[in-house]
Amino acid sequence: EDKVVQSPLSLVVHEGDTVTLNCSYEVTNFRSLLWYKQEKKAPTFLFMLTSSGIEKKSGRLSSILDKKELSSILNITATQTGDSAIYLCAVGSPGTGAGSYQLTFGKGTKLSVIP
Amino acid sequence: KAGVTQTPRYLIKTRGQQVTLSCSPISGHRSVSWYQQTPGQGLQFLFEYFSETQRNKGNFPGRFSGRQFSNSRSEMNVSTLELGDSALYLCASSLGGPGDTQYFGPGTRLTVL
Repeated sequence: EDKVVQSPLSLVVHEGDTVTLNCSYEVTNFRSLLWYKQEKKAPTFLFMLTSSGIEKKSGRLSSILDKKELSSILNITATQTGDSAIYLCAVGSPGTGAGSYQLTFGKGTKLSVIP
Repeated sequence: KAGVTQTPRYLIKTRGQQVTLSCSPISGHRSVSWYQQTPGQGLQFLFEYFSETQRNKGNFPGRFSGRQFSNSRSEMNVSTLELGDSALYLCASSLGGPGDTQYFGPGTRLTVL
């Protein structure tokens, strides 16, 4: 059974701190790893990673995939209160139907940034 | 471009009833996937529809079903509701190709009493 594990489950930091969120996976037929940010309801897409060792960056957020270690990290520098959210890691793999593709999610890391 | 929309946003039902949730994908997206999110289990895949056909299914009982219409809008139905069905139901749309990014709607919060 496919498995995605995120750590830590929750984290409290002060504004300005740098945080690293971890995601490890055991998935048959890995195709991609995705990070989402969930504040109130809808998870919003952050990054998709398919190649090992290539960092994706967006402002203060960055992520990298290590296919050898079956893991990924999400870094957030100079954290702000608006970064408070649940960060979800998901791994994409082919589904059972032809052409299908499904995401297996970790349980998320709840990040709280205090002023 | 408008995002994924879901209706209703909140629902309260009693055990034994049935419920239908609706999802309208981003314009041009042909794939709709449904997920159940609970505090204990996280986000779990229910099923995916593409071009009006169920293309993939997760490990949920047959009480959970869905369909997709020719305009790519999708509905999910849960029959004979149980207390454990209380959850946030999220749908996500994508173009439908392998590895295409899934974009989520705001979800429907279902409470079963």
